[in-house]
Amino acid sequence: AQTVTQSQPEMSVQEAETVTLSCTYDTSESDYYLFWYKQPPSRQMILVIRQEAYKQQNATENRFSVNFQKAAKSFSLKISDSQLGDAAMYFCAYRSAMDSNYQLIWGAGTKLIIKP
Amino acid sequence: DAGVTQSPTHLIKTRGQQVTLRCSPISGHKSVSWYQQVLGQGPQFIFQYYEKEERGRGNFPDRFSARQFPNYSSELNVNALLLGDSALYLCASSLDDIPSQPQHFGDGTRLSIL
Repeated sequence: AQTVTQSQPEMSVQEAETVTLSCTYDTSESDYYLFWYKQPPSRQMILVIRQEAYKQQNATENRFSVNFQKAAKSFSLKISDSQLGDAAMYFCAYRSAMDSNYQLIWGAGTKLIIKP
Repeated sequence: DAGVTQSPTHLIKTRGQQVTLRCSPISGHKSVSWYQQVLGQGPQFIFQYYEKEERGRGNFPDRFSARQFPNYSSELNVNALLLGDSALYLCASSLDDIPSQPQHFGDGTRLSIL
């Protein structure tokens, strides 16, 4: 079974600085998708960025980028120029591309605190 | 366009009761998934429905059931509620049953069991 691990329960960063959130996963599959979601106190889970495992190039969305290391099964999220609105829980999630059950498998989350 | 809508927002029940949670997907989305998020943890997959058929079921007891209607809205039912069922229940929709498509989430229903 696949698992997702986020080893940092909490991270803090000064506003305008850069922060990296870690995520590792375990799978025997070769084709899958990885996601980072953000959950602010409002509770809604918001998609931040997505990565296809078969793509070598790291995904980027404005100030958010990932460092995808397939061999190491690592998928970290880098947030540049941190803003107060970035404060939230961040969840890493895995989805198989081969299973008929396309459930998301989630990490435990990292709480990101932005210091003004 | 409206996003995924869930109702009610918050619900308080007592042990042994039954509860029904509702979800309306984004217009045009045919796939709906349900997740349980216990405080301080990541979500756990409960069910996925596509075109009114169950496509996936997580490791939850038979007290949990769901269905999807012809308009693609969905209900999650939980019988014989236990204290451990207290959680945020999230509904997510996607256009089709394709793994590359992201899931879009509602604000959730906070279920408290007394």
